[in-house]
Amino acid sequence: AQRVTQPEKLLSVFKGAPVELKCNYSYSGSPELFWYVQYSRQRLQLLLRHISRESIKGFTADLNKGETSFHLKKPFAQEEDSAMYYCALSGANYGQNFVFGPGTRLSVLP
Amino acid sequence: KAGVTQTPRYLIKTRGQQVTLSCSPISGHRSVSWYQQTPGQGLQFLFEYFSETQRNKGNFPGRFSGRQFSNSRSEMNVSTLELGDSALYLCASSGQGGNTIYFGEGSWLTVV
Repeated sequence: AQRVTQPEKLLSVFKGAPVELKCNYSYSGSPELFWYVQYSRQRLQLLLRHISRESIKGFTADLNKGETSFHLKKPFAQEEDSAMYYCALSGANYGQNFVFGPGTRLSVLP
Repeated sequence: KAGVTQTPRYLIKTRGQQVTLSCSPISGHRSVSWYQQTPGQGLQFLFEYFSETQRNKGNFPGRFSGRQFSNSRSEMNVSTLELGDSALYLCASSGQGGNTIYFGEGSWLTVV
Protein backbone atom coordinates (compact mmCIF):
# COMPACT_ATOMS: atom_id res chain seq x y z
CA ALA A 1 0.00 0.00 0.00
CA GLN A 2 1.12 3.54 -0.67
CA ARG A 3 1.86 5.53 2.45
CA VAL A 4 3.67 8.75 3.34
CA THR A 5 4.78 9.58 6.86
CA GLN A 6 6.03 12.84 8.31
CA PRO A 7 7.09 12.19 11.89
CA GLU A 8 7.04 15.80 13.09
CA LYS A 9 3.76 17.65 13.42
CA LEU A 10 5.54 20.84 14.41
CA LEU A 11 9.11 21.93 13.90
CA SER A 12 10.45 25.15 15.36
CA VAL A 13 13.84 26.59 14.44
CA PHE A 14 15.51 29.95 14.80
CA LYS A 15 16.13 32.20 11.82
CA GLY A 16 19.42 31.32 10.16
CA ALA A 17 19.46 27.78 11.52
CA PRO A 18 19.38 24.74 9.23
CA VAL A 19 16.08 22.98 8.82
CA GLU A 20 15.20 19.44 7.80
CA LEU A 21 11.65 18.22 7.36
CA LYS A 22 11.48 14.46 7.29
CA CYS A 23 9.43 12.37 4.90
CA ASN A 24 9.36 8.60 4.51
CA TYR A 25 7.27 6.62 2.11
CA SER A 26 6.26 3.09 1.29
CA TYR A 27 5.52 2.10 -2.27
CA SER A 28 6.32 -0.98 -4.30
CA GLY A 29 7.55 0.57 -7.48
CA SER A 30 9.09 3.82 -8.65
CA PRO A 31 7.12 6.69 -7.19
CA GLU A 32 7.36 10.36 -7.90
CA LEU A 33 7.86 12.42 -4.76
CA PHE A 34 6.82 16.00 -4.18
CA TRP A 35 6.84 18.66 -1.50
CA TYR A 36 3.84 20.96 -1.32
CA VAL A 37 3.68 24.05 0.89
CA GLN A 38 0.80 26.08 2.26
CA TYR A 39 1.57 29.57 3.53
CA SER A 40 -0.89 31.34 5.79
CA ARG A 41 -4.11 32.19 3.95
CA GLN A 42 -2.79 30.83 0.64
CA ARG A 43 -3.62 27.78 -1.37
CA LEU A 44 -1.56 24.62 -1.38
CA GLN A 45 1.23 24.96 -3.93
CA LEU A 46 4.06 22.87 -5.30
CA LEU A 47 7.45 23.56 -3.76
CA LEU A 48 9.54 20.99 -5.59
CA ARG A 49 9.51 17.52 -7.16
CA HIS A 50 12.29 14.98 -7.02
CA ILE A 51 12.65 14.47 -10.75
CA SER A 52 13.42 18.16 -11.25
CA ARG A 53 16.45 18.04 -8.92
CA GLU A 54 16.17 21.76 -8.42
CA SER A 55 16.45 24.14 -5.49
CA ILE A 56 13.40 26.30 -4.84
CA LYS A 57 13.58 29.14 -2.32
CA GLY A 58 16.78 27.55 -1.03
CA PHE A 59 15.09 24.21 -0.35
CA THR A 60 16.38 20.93 -1.72
CA ALA A 61 15.22 17.35 -1.34
CA ASP A 62 16.95 14.16 -2.34
CA LEU A 63 15.17 10.92 -2.98
CA ASN A 64 16.86 8.07 -1.11
CA LYS A 65 15.36 4.87 -2.42
CA GLY A 66 17.33 2.71 -0.02
CA GLU A 67 15.90 4.49 3.00
CA THR A 68 12.63 5.32 1.21
CA SER A 69 13.01 8.93 2.28
CA PHE A 70 12.58 12.34 0.69
CA HIS A 71 13.66 14.80 3.35
CA LEU A 72 13.39 18.53 2.69
CA LYS A 73 16.37 20.66 3.69
CA LYS A 74 17.38 24.27 3.82
CA PRO A 75 20.73 25.45 5.22
CA PHE A 76 19.51 28.79 6.58
CA ALA A 77 15.85 29.15 7.53
CA GLN A 78 14.03 32.45 7.01
CA GLU A 79 10.95 33.73 8.82
CA GLU A 80 9.00 33.65 5.56
CA ASP A 81 9.55 29.89 5.40
CA SER A 82 7.02 29.45 8.20
CA ALA A 83 4.24 27.35 6.68
CA MET A 84 2.67 23.91 6.51
CA TYR A 85 4.69 21.44 4.46
CA TYR A 86 3.27 18.29 2.91
CA CYS A 87 5.22 15.45 1.37
CA ALA A 88 3.32 13.66 -1.39
CA LEU A 89 3.73 10.57 -3.51
CA SER A 90 2.35 9.79 -6.92
CA GLY A 91 2.60 6.18 -7.85
CA ALA A 92 0.16 5.88 -10.70
CA ASN A 93 1.51 5.36 -14.18
CA TYR A 94 -0.66 8.24 -15.13
CA GLY A 95 -3.09 10.56 -13.48
CA GLN A 96 -3.22 12.53 -10.28
CA ASN A 97 -3.63 9.86 -7.64
CA PHE A 98 -1.54 11.51 -4.94
CA VAL A 99 -0.97 10.24 -1.42
CA PHE A 100 -0.15 13.03 1.04
CA GLY A 101 1.62 12.86 4.36
CA PRO A 102 0.00 14.43 7.44
CA GLY A 103 2.09 17.57 7.12
CA THR A 104 4.67 19.36 9.26
CA ARG A 105 4.14 22.89 10.48
CA LEU A 106 7.43 24.77 10.30
CA SER A 107 7.79 27.78 12.55
CA VAL A 108 10.87 29.93 12.06
CA LEU A 109 11.47 32.10 15.09
CA PRO A 110 13.17 35.52 14.90
CA LYS B 1 -3.75 32.62 -16.34
CA ALA B 2 -6.50 32.32 -13.79
CA GLY B 3 -5.95 29.65 -11.19
CA VAL B 4 -8.20 26.80 -10.20
CA THR B 5 -11.53 28.23 -9.05
CA GLN B 6 -13.87 26.52 -6.64
CA THR B 7 -17.41 27.46 -5.68
CA PRO B 8 -18.94 27.89 -3.24
CA ARG B 9 -16.17 28.76 -0.81
CA TYR B 10 -18.22 28.13 2.31
CA LEU B 11 -21.45 26.28 2.92
CA ILE B 12 -23.44 24.75 5.75
CA LYS B 13 -25.70 21.76 5.21
CA THR B 14 -27.86 19.57 7.40
CA ARG B 15 -27.36 15.85 7.90
CA GLY B 16 -29.13 13.86 5.22
CA GLN B 17 -28.96 16.61 2.61
CA GLN B 18 -26.86 16.49 -0.48
CA VAL B 19 -24.31 18.98 -1.77
CA THR B 20 -22.69 19.82 -5.10
CA LEU B 21 -19.32 21.54 -5.34
CA SER B 22 -17.93 23.04 -8.49
CA CYS B 23 -14.41 23.38 -9.85
CA SER B 24 -13.07 25.26 -12.87
CA PRO B 25 -9.56 24.13 -13.78
CA ILE B 26 -6.78 26.25 -15.18
CA SER B 27 -7.45 27.03 -18.82
CA GLY B 28 -6.12 24.20 -20.98
CA HIS B 29 -5.95 21.68 -18.16
CA ARG B 30 -7.97 18.55 -18.83
CA SER B 31 -7.31 16.60 -15.65
CA VAL B 32 -9.18 17.45 -12.47
CA SER B 33 -8.86 15.70 -9.13
CA TRP B 34 -10.62 16.12 -5.81
CA TYR B 35 -9.29 15.78 -2.28
CA GLN B 36 -10.86 15.88 1.15
CA GLN B 37 -8.90 17.56 3.94
CA THR B 38 -9.77 17.05 7.60
CA PRO B 39 -7.75 17.57 10.80
CA GLY B 40 -7.95 13.88 11.63
CA GLN B 41 -7.33 12.24 8.27
CA GLY B 42 -5.34 14.93 6.47
CA LEU B 43 -5.50 15.14 2.68
CA GLN B 44 -7.21 12.18 1.07
CA PHE B 45 -7.69 11.54 -2.63
CA LEU B 46 -11.30 11.25 -3.74
CA PHE B 47 -11.21 10.83 -7.52
CA GLU B 48 -9.75 12.14 -10.74
CA TYR B 49 -11.34 12.94 -14.07
CA PHE B 50 -9.74 13.27 -17.46
CA SER B 51 -11.65 14.04 -20.63
CA GLU B 52 -14.99 13.47 -18.89
CA THR B 53 -13.97 10.00 -17.66
CA GLN B 54 -13.13 8.96 -14.13
CA ARG B 55 -9.52 7.79 -14.31
CA ASN B 56 -8.70 7.11 -10.65
CA LYS B 57 -10.79 6.65 -7.55
CA GLY B 58 -9.91 6.81 -3.86
CA ASN B 59 -11.33 4.81 -1.02
CA PHE B 60 -14.55 6.70 -0.31
CA PRO B 61 -18.13 5.41 -0.15
CA GLY B 62 -20.46 5.63 -3.10
CA ARG B 63 -22.15 8.70 -1.57
CA PHE B 64 -19.23 10.64 -3.04
CA SER B 65 -19.44 11.05 -6.79
CA GLY B 66 -18.21 13.39 -9.43
CA ARG B 67 -18.33 14.25 -13.06
CA GLN B 68 -16.51 16.32 -15.61
CA PHE B 69 -17.95 18.32 -18.45
CA SER B 70 -16.67 18.81 -21.97
CA ASN B 71 -15.12 22.14 -20.98
CA SER B 72 -13.14 20.30 -18.25
CA ARG B 73 -15.12 21.89 -15.43
CA SER B 74 -15.90 19.38 -12.73
CA GLU B 75 -18.45 18.88 -10.01
CA MET B 76 -18.47 16.60 -7.02
CA ASN B 77 -21.57 15.54 -5.19
CA VAL B 78 -22.02 14.13 -1.72
CA SER B 79 -25.40 12.59 -0.96
CA THR B 80 -26.95 11.79 2.41
CA LEU B 81 -24.50 14.01 4.26
CA GLU B 82 -23.04 12.86 7.56
CA LEU B 83 -21.40 14.95 10.27
CA GLY B 84 -18.07 13.36 9.36
CA ASP B 85 -18.27 14.82 5.86
CA SER B 86 -17.46 18.24 7.31
CA ALA B 87 -14.17 19.11 5.64
CA LEU B 88 -12.29 21.27 3.21
CA TYR B 89 -12.76 19.90 -0.30
CA LEU B 90 -9.91 20.73 -2.62
CA CYS B 91 -9.89 20.57 -6.37
CA ALA B 92 -6.67 20.37 -8.39
CA SER B 93 -5.91 20.40 -12.08
CA SER B 94 -2.99 19.52 -14.27
CA GLY B 95 -2.05 19.85 -17.90
CA GLN B 96 -1.49 17.04 -20.34
CA GLY B 97 1.71 15.13 -19.74
CA GLY B 98 2.38 16.89 -16.48
CA ASN B 99 2.24 15.37 -13.06
CA THR B 100 2.24 18.65 -11.20
CA ILE B 101 -1.14 19.51 -9.77
CA TYR B 102 -2.38 23.01 -9.02
CA PHE B 103 -4.86 23.45 -6.21
CA GLY B 104 -7.85 25.68 -5.76
CA GLU B 105 -8.60 27.43 -2.48
CA GLY B 106 -11.15 24.82 -1.54
CA SER B 107 -14.77 24.65 -0.46
CA TRP B 108 -15.39 24.55 3.27
CA LEU B 109 -18.34 22.25 4.01
CA THR B 110 -19.88 22.12 7.45
CA VAL B 111 -22.55 19.51 8.16
CA VAL B 112 -24.77 20.18 11.18
